[in-house]
Amino acid sequence: GAGVSQSPSNKVTEKGKDVELRCDPISGHTALYWYRQSLGQGLEFLIYFQGNSAPDKSGLPSDRFSAERTGGSVSTLTIQRTQQEDSAVYLCASTHGGRWAPDTQYFGPGTRLTVL
Amino acid sequence: KQEVTQIPAALSVPEGENLVLNCSFTDSAIYNLQWFRQDPGKGLTSLLLIQSSQREQTSGRLNASLDKSSGRSTLYIAASQPGDSATYLCAVPYYGGSQGNLIFGKGTKLSVKP
Repeated sequence: GAGVSQSPSNKVTEKGKDVELRCDPISGHTALYWYRQSLGQGLEFLIYFQGNSAPDKSGLPSDRFSAERTGGSVSTLTIQRTQQEDSAVYLCASTHGGRWAPDTQYFGPGTRLTVL
Repeated sequence: KQEVTQIPAALSVPEGENLVLNCSFTDSAIYNLQWFRQDPGKGLTSLLLIQSSQREQTSGRLNASLDKSSGRSTLYIAASQPGDSATYLCAVPYYGGSQGNLIFGKGTKLSVKP
């Protein structure tokens, strides 16, 4: 079956521009996570959606970052007024489980963002 | 605060060798532990998930063990092949907030030479 998909695969933008990154989770998965992988930093959590509940945004690094999930499926991560330090690979993951029943997280291929 | 450490950071072995990758975590109150593989420029592929009640999981040439009390997990790769070359990451769910998001180690970069 289809896995997690993300688009675009690569995005190059100029400093100060806004960007939108898209994630299509596996059908039926209620939980969706966004992570960021920076060179030398490892993977860090950004935001978590569980069903129709309000998202947990505690991992977002600044108020320039926001995300939404429409209809409990597709999610969009928006970065406003991009900075060079936003350059990273942005990974999306989905799973059946959530906080109380964590299950295998399935990751998309990521979006490589480069801010010039 | 949960911290995950992986040793070594990089490993180079000749083809055919058996090898062990190490993962340690500071808070033993984990629900499960997951091992991933990441190829250059790609996303993460789940290899094995071990529940906290389990001691080990096997998939083909891979065997992952878990010792919660000592805060350690190992990934054993038998008869390594060049196609095993990748970065291997371990991760545990975080329950400090409401997320269940994964806390990752920084990975072990494995190179298997033909």
